[in-house]
Amino acid sequence: DQQVKQNSPSLSVQEGRISILNCDYTNSMFDYFLWYKKYPAEGPTFLISISSIKDKNEDGRFTVFLNKSAKHLSLHIVPSQPGDSAVYFCAASDRDDKIIFGKGTRLHILP
Amino acid sequence: SAVISQKPSRDICQRGTSLTIQCQVDSQVTMMFWYRQQPGQSLTLIATANQGSEATYESGFVIDKFPISRPNLTFSTLTVSNMSPEDSSIYLCSVDLGQSYEQYFGPGTRLTVT
Repeated sequence: DQQVKQNSPSLSVQEGRISILNCDYTNSMFDYFLWYKKYPAEGPTFLISISSIKDKNEDGRFTVFLNKSAKHLSLHIVPSQPGDSAVYFCAASDRDDKIIFGKGTRLHILP
Repeated sequence: SAVISQKPSRDICQRGTSLTIQCQVDSQVTMMFWYRQQPGQSLTLIATANQGSEATYESGFVIDKFPISRPNLTFSTLTVSNMSPEDSSIYLCSVDLGQSYEQYFGPGTRLTVT
């Protein structure tokens, strides 16, 4: 049973527009959420995170929103740039040092 | 952050053989992790490798199939034993620097078993 779900395998967005990647989770014990970005032939790189005590965290063009009641989080990238084309993994932790990953969403930024 | 390297970057192996993957970190870390990413799937944790103790394996993974060594605070190996085509995956190591929940990943080892 998947505890972290990314229901969109891929997403295409025009350069300069906003990219919104969504993630749902089922385990109410998760209290820390992360987004990773992965280019082909490279390992995932940490992008941004959010604690369950917050509902928003912003870092430059990247903002993560958390809706605990809906068990949903989203990553907003604005404006989208060509270098943002990658696979984005949503992940969650429940303080036992383990991270549970979703299957990823492949983001294509169109020129 | 940390700089993590893995060897080999890729390999093609015959079924029934074993492959040992090395993970080297540029700083001393307590917690290292080994993941597998099968095609189209998420990253799945195989085991947690802490220096000075036996590795802790996740459900579905056993030491006989995936023996792990952790001889010091900067190095670990994962062996994929008696390989079958189902073991074809990307294998990644990661580290937790102990400052937050973020883990930092190596570049991965792409394994193909024929």
